[in-house]
Amino acid sequence: AQRVTQPEKLLSVFKGAPVELKCNYSYSGSPELFWYVQYSRQRLQLLLRHISRESIKGFTADLNKGETSFHLKKPFAQEEDSAMYYCALVQGGSEKLVFGKGTKLTVNP
Amino acid sequence: NAGVTQTPKFRILKIGQSMTLQCTQDMNHNYMYWYRQDPGMGLKLIYYSVGAGITDKGEVPNGYNVSRSTTEDFPLRLELAAPSQTSVYFCASRPRGRSNGYTFGSGTRLTVV
Repeated sequence: AQRVTQPEKLLSVFKGAPVELKCNYSYSGSPELFWYVQYSRQRLQLLLRHISRESIKGFTADLNKGETSFHLKKPFAQEEDSAMYYCALVQGGSEKLVFGKGTKLTVNP
Repeated sequence: NAGVTQTPKFRILKIGQSMTLQCTQDMNHNYMYWYRQDPGMGLKLIYYSVGAGITDKGEVPNGYNVSRSTTEDFPLRLELAAPSQTSVYFCASRPRGRSNGYTFGSGTRLTVV
């Protein structure tokens, strides 16, 4: 079965420090992976799609098929980055998005 | 372009009551989804639809029903509310293509007492 694992429930860093939010997946096909962000009591917003290979708000994520990972990285964290981050995988054929349990990032001043 | 609109934003129900959570989108998206979000559990898919007249169960469909009579609307029905259905419910939509991201509504916070 397809599965998305975010091993850290909570992650706390200081402003200006690098941050990496881990995401591992299990999927036998060719995955479509995403990162979503949810600021306090707001709706989820799409942050990154692996297919776009883009950088949004200074965040990047690289798909590593060998390690089945899609970690989210930012070299210098900002206080406004504090939020819940969800890694998600699209199941091929069924059109369903499967979410990890999320990592709450806190960036301290 | 309002995106995905959910109503109500908050609701308190008594055990055994029924209600419908409304979701509408104005982006002409084919695919629509209902998720529930529980603390520490991430988002779990309740039901989804790939087009008008077509719905299918997700991971946690028990206690819920949906319909999709139009492209725009995808209401979620709770027939006999139970405390286990206390959660935040999110509706989402996306256009065709697996690589397209979802657009989420602002959520409905439901408490069953």
